[in-house]
Amino acid sequence: EIVLTQSPGTLSLSPGERATLSCRASQSVSSGYFAWYQHKPGQAPRLLIYGASSRATGIPDRFSGSGSGTDFTLTITRLEPEDFAVYYCQQYGSSPITFGQGTRLEIK
Amino acid sequence: EVQLLESGGGLVQPGGSLRLSCAASGFTFSSHTMSWVRQAPGKGPEWVSVITGGNNNTDYADSVKGRFTISRDKSKNTLYLQMNSLRAEDTAVYYCARGGFRYLDYWGRGTLVTVSS
Repeated sequence: EIVLTQSPGTLSLSPGERATLSCRASQSVSSGYFAWYQHKPGQAPRLLIYGASSRATGIPDRFSGSGSGTDFTLTITRLEPEDFAVYYCQQYGSSPITFGQGTRLEIK
Repeated sequence: EVQLLESGGGLVQPGGSLRLSCAASGFTFSSHTMSWVRQAPGKGPEWVSVITGGNNNTDYADSVKGRFTISRDKSKNTLYLQMNSLRAEDTAVYYCARGGFRYLDYWGRGTLVTVSS
């Protein structure tokens, strides 16, 4: 199965700054079948990005995804207070679908 | 509005059984593939099982194959996960999610399963 490694483990930034989260796959992810999720304590995880770069319904355009092959990135421009959460990457190009271990985005 | 509400979690002894439920609303439940995903303390999410929308084909992670059974009741718009022969390593928050074999576009808030003596 494809192992996803996210970096950094924790990212400390201030509102208004830019966040760059990375996810590296142990093998190439076919056809850009890659997603990103946001998870806040006590809430349901929320799909942000699918197909590596397509925003899900209702997701603000300050969230963007990029990458291909084994390296993928989630970028959040101009952080808002509600963006501080844990972010997970996921690949669905190979069975079973797998997730990364998460990046915690915290307020500096 | 799509809503998924899990229930049935709790404390169970090793070797015991538990059945989780997920009540779905706000979409045509019968036509959608549905999944269970779990997250152990301090770990990333782990896919557990999937059931397809049309013909109810199922698949399982190797870690639960032979012990867990996914099913659905289309008349009740409810997804189930029957968990038998539970082990300490099954301790996790269990989420139901819409989708499978691809991204998961809606998730519930989860239900906690603790396997301990």
